[in-house]
Amino acid sequence: QVQLVQSGAEVKKPGASVKVSCKASGYAFPSYDITWVRQAPGQGLEWMGWISAYNGNTNYAQKLQGRVTMTTDTSTSTAYMELRSLRSDDTAVYYCARKKDCSNGVCIIHFDYWGQGTLVTVSS
Amino acid sequence: DIQMTQSPSSLSASVGDRVTITCRASQSISRYLHWYQQTPGKAPKLLIYAASSLQSGVPSRFSGSGSGTDFTLTISSLQPEDFATYYCQQSYSSAYTFGQGTKLEIK
Repeated sequence: QVQLVQSGAEVKKPGASVKVSCKASGYAFPSYDITWVRQAPGQGLEWMGWISAYNGNTNYAQKLQGRVTMTTDTSTSTAYMELRSLRSDDTAVYYCARKKDCSNGVCIIHFDYWGQGTLVTVSS
Repeated sequence: DIQMTQSPSSLSASVGDRVTITCRASQSISRYLHWYQQTPGKAPKLLIYAASSLQSGVPSRFSGSGSGTDFTLTISSLQPEDFATYYCQQSYSSAYTFGQGTKLEIK
């Protein structure tokens, strides 16, 4: 069965960086892009970007351009999201999800499997 | 970016009720609209993709409709496990965006 298992909670100081991992299993890792979504406490969902697990192409949310880097390691079927210059408003649960292009002949991008989430707390 | 607006923001209902949640896009998004369910402390779960396609394993009491700018999620007969927050999301543009969420509470 498809699973995405994320790394554990992190506490960081303002200005630091954090790197969250997302290990995939149960499917051919290079065949699907991985997307990242975050959720601040008590707030809604914010899309951060995606990375192709096939060729490493990325598409980042404009708001995070210059502070976020997404990478993959196909040898371990793991995706990574690094966020730099952390601020207090980066405190959130960070989710990875599998980005699927087609299901049952319907080719419209959607996110079908999600990781369990990683809480990143930014506090001095 | 395409703005997604859900209504209502919160809703109280009883087990067995029929419930409808609406999502409106700031521009036409064809059928590039998906619905997710999130319970407290858990990751979102895909319910409906491409406006009306039921994700595998999701109960048939969930249904979606719409195209263009206006979409609905309907739960035909609420079950206790359906009390959660629901989000719509568009993938028409390369900057994917979510609605602000609709919290469904027990009356």
